[in-house]
Amino acid sequence: EDQVTQSPEALRLQEGESSSLNCSYTVSGLRGLFWYRQDPGKGPEFLFTLYSAGEEKEKERLKATLTKKESFLHITAPKPEDSATYLCAVQGSGAGSYQLTFGKGTKLSVIP
Amino acid sequence: NAGVTQTPKFQVLKTGQSMTLQCAQDMNHEYMSWYRQDPGMGLRLIHYSVGAGITDQGEVPNGYNVSRSTTEDFPLRLLSAAPSQTSVYFCASSRMPGGGANVLTFGAGSRLTVL
Repeated sequence: EDQVTQSPEALRLQEGESSSLNCSYTVSGLRGLFWYRQDPGKGPEFLFTLYSAGEEKEKERLKATLTKKESFLHITAPKPEDSATYLCAVQGSGAGSYQLTFGKGTKLSVIP
Repeated sequence: NAGVTQTPKFQVLKTGQSMTLQCAQDMNHEYMSWYRQDPGMGLRLIHYSVGAGITDQGEVPNGYNVSRSTTEDFPLRLLSAAPSQTSVYFCASSRMPGGGANVLTFGAGSRLTVL
């Protein structure tokens, strides 16, 4: 059974204070690890897909990295508009291989 | 391009009532799915479909029915609502990944309260 654990549950940062969110996972044959952003009252919005250990992807102040056991979402010099809940999900290659398993998310608050 | 459209946005039901949550996408996506999101829990898959006429169960299918008569629409039916079905429901779609990563596009959600 695929599992995803995100930490911390909540993170408060001052504007400009860089940090990282963690996503630990177990999966049978990784097809993809996904990061989504979710604003209050809205649906998740796709950010990145990572496919193999060592891979990195960047978008503005966000950088996602992947190892064989975990992924990090690094946030550099965050701004208040980066406040959101960030979701991590994995897709394995076992039975039901289209299915994504989601973590509970990390709620990020960036204080001006 | 509207993406994934869900209706209604809010609904209040009494225990035992039935209703249908609507989901439509205009991206010609073959894969469609329904998730529920509860406080303190991750998104959990209810049902999914890989094309018209094909549906399958996800992690938490009990109490829900689905059908897929067209590529565009994937309604979720609650036959006899229970308080445990109080949740926020998300519809998501994607191009069939064909063995690759399944990148989902989500709707805005439908908040359901069952009294």
